[in-house]
Amino acid sequence: AQSVSQHNHHVILSEAASLELGCNYSYGGTVNLFWYVQYPGQHLQLLLKYFSGDPLVKGIKGFEAEFIKSKFSFNLRKPSVQWSDTAEYFCAVNPNSGYSTLTFGKGTMLLVSP
Amino acid sequence: SQTIHQWPATLVQPVGSPLSLECTVEGTSNPNLYWYRQAAGRGLQLLFYSVGIGQISSEVPQNLSASRPQDRQFILSSKKLLLSDSGFYLCAWTMDLNSGNTIYFGEGSWLTVV
Repeated sequence: AQSVSQHNHHVILSEAASLELGCNYSYGGTVNLFWYVQYPGQHLQLLLKYFSGDPLVKGIKGFEAEFIKSKFSFNLRKPSVQWSDTAEYFCAVNPNSGYSTLTFGKGTMLLVSP
Repeated sequence: SQTIHQWPATLVQPVGSPLSLECTVEGTSNPNLYWYRQAAGRGLQLLFYSVGIGQISSEVPQNLSASRPQDRQFILSSKKLLLSDSGFYLCAWTMDLNSGNTIYFGEGSWLTVV
């Protein structure tokens, strides 16, 4: 079965700092990859997703992620974080082999101090 | 546009009592439906998913069950709740994940078993 590992459970940054959240998955075949975000008191919502094509994916609010197949990674980045980016971030993988399920990582709580 | 609703939003139930959480999707047909449980520091755990009426797949053995009596209705149940069933439950839907579709989440239901 596939699994997703997020390296950091908690990250604390100051505004304008750069962000990189690590995500690695274990699955040998073709995958679809996602980053979801959950702002305090709100639903989970999609930040960005990778299905095919350019491995550098742009999402909402200035986020991007790079799929590196050889490293089984899909790290999330943002050059300059804002206080409003405080949220919990989840990486997720769907094996593109007929399984219509999404496996999530344990999440990374990001706190941005003003 | 498509919407997803789940209820109740919060629930406090005694140990040994039954449970019924309901989820409905509007604005689409034959969606894939999911029940996840979210626990702090543990991410989202897939409990059940359904690709059609009456078709339920269980991901983990547990005290809960799921049913899909109608195309856009997904119910999470228990005959006798345990303390360990407390948590935040999320319903979600998507069309075929493998085809590039996004998974959308409901507002969530907080269950406290006392």
